[in-house]
Parts: sequence; structure tokens; C-alpha cells
Amino acid sequence: GAVVSQHPSWVICKSGTSVKIECRSLDFQATTMFWYRQFPKQSLMLMATSNEGSKATYEQGVEKDKFLINHASLTLSTLTVTSAHPEDSSFYICSAKVGARSTDTQYFGPGTRLTVL
Amino acid sequence: AQSVTQLGSHVSVSEGALVLLRCNYSSSVPPYLFWYVQYPNQGLQLLLKYTSAATLVKGINGFEAEFKKSETSFHLTKPSAHMSDAAEYFCAVSRNSGNTPLVFGKGTRLSVIA
Repeated sequence: GAVVSQHPSWVICKSGTSVKIECRSLDFQATTMFWYRQFPKQSLMLMATSNEGSKATYEQGVEKDKFLINHASLTLSTLTVTSAHPEDSSFYICSAKVGARSTDTQYFGPGTRLTVL
Repeated sequence: AQSVTQLGSHVSVSEGALVLLRCNYSSSVPPYLFWYVQYPNQGLQLLLKYTSAATLVKGINGFEAEFKKSETSFHLTKPSAHMSDAAEYFCAVSRNSGNTPLVFGKGTRLSVIA
């Protein structure tokens, strides 16, 4: 089946630094990629929707200047957490979708655990 | 707006027993519904999805779910639990037609007791 990878799988950084997380669809071209955030023992909360070659659409309450999303190609999307703070510590998960229909399957990456000290 | 409610944040069953994880949805339009499983420190894996075809949907690992419009439910079942089924399960609904992301329930942690 379709595989989505994320890199790094975990990262620890100091407060105030920026961290970049990569999301790649390995064996398919993704029309759309989504970025989610998951706090411990909670559900996934959508942060933004990313379409190749266009600006990401952010959910209400998500700071677009803090969480920079770049969707440079049909197989790569990046999330950069700028000036990270301890409250940004979370599990970040991306997903990729092949088609543009609601019924098309979203394939999820393994997630990236970010810890900000 | 679509939403899902998962009843029970934690379900515990004995190995070999029936697994029943509950999910109710709210939608102003015919929904598309999904069940995903998440193992510790991993992403989500699709178990099955309902896309307005057959109301009884069979998925991987012996799981199935039945769409019941009258009850606005999409409960997940498995006849006999296995130790490897222990994980977090999420029910999700597509937000509306078109290219939109999923809206997830809060999840149900399944524990399997030997």
C-alpha cells in the first residue's frame, strides 16, 4: 500500500529555535497533504491543508507565521515550527491523499514527536 | 458541520472476546466514515471505510463496521480479540464533499487481557 514517511521521527530542541519536519509520499504522488497535531491521549487536531504549489490553508486558531508549511512537490511537504516554545511540544502527524474526493484514502505518516526544552 | 463521538475512552476485553467500539456521527449530509488504528508512537492505519456502498463494511485484521443511518452509528466490531489488537482506535468523518480532511473522534483505547 501507499507509504508516507516523516523525518525526523523525534526531535528535541531549545526554546526559540526552529524545527523543520518533512513529510514524503514514497510511492505515490499526493494531491493534498494534511498536518495534524496530537497531544497526549487526545485526538488528532487538523492544523492545515497543503496543496502542491499553492499556499496552505490553516485551521482557525493555528498561527500561520509560526507553523510554516511548504508543499514544494507532489511528494514532499514540510512543516517548520518557528521560534518553538515548550507549549509547541506535541506529536505532529502528516497525511497524504491521492485524489480529490472525500472517499479517497488518507495515508498517514508515522509522526514526529517534538520536545521543546 | 460533521462530527463524531466515540463512547468510552477506554475499553478492556479478554482475549478471544468480542470487541465493540462505539462511534456515533453527526452530519447534515450523507457522511463518509472511517475507522483508523494507532499503535504507540506510530501514525494511523486505515482499518475500513464507509462510502455509501454496502452498509456492512469489512476491514483488515478481522474488523468490520456497520453503518446504521437510523441510529447515526458506525460501531466497530471484531468477533474475537487478539493481544495484538491493543491500540488506540479513531473514528472519523469526512467534513463535507470535495477535497477535505477528516474530523476525528477522541479515540478509544482498547486493552486486551490475556
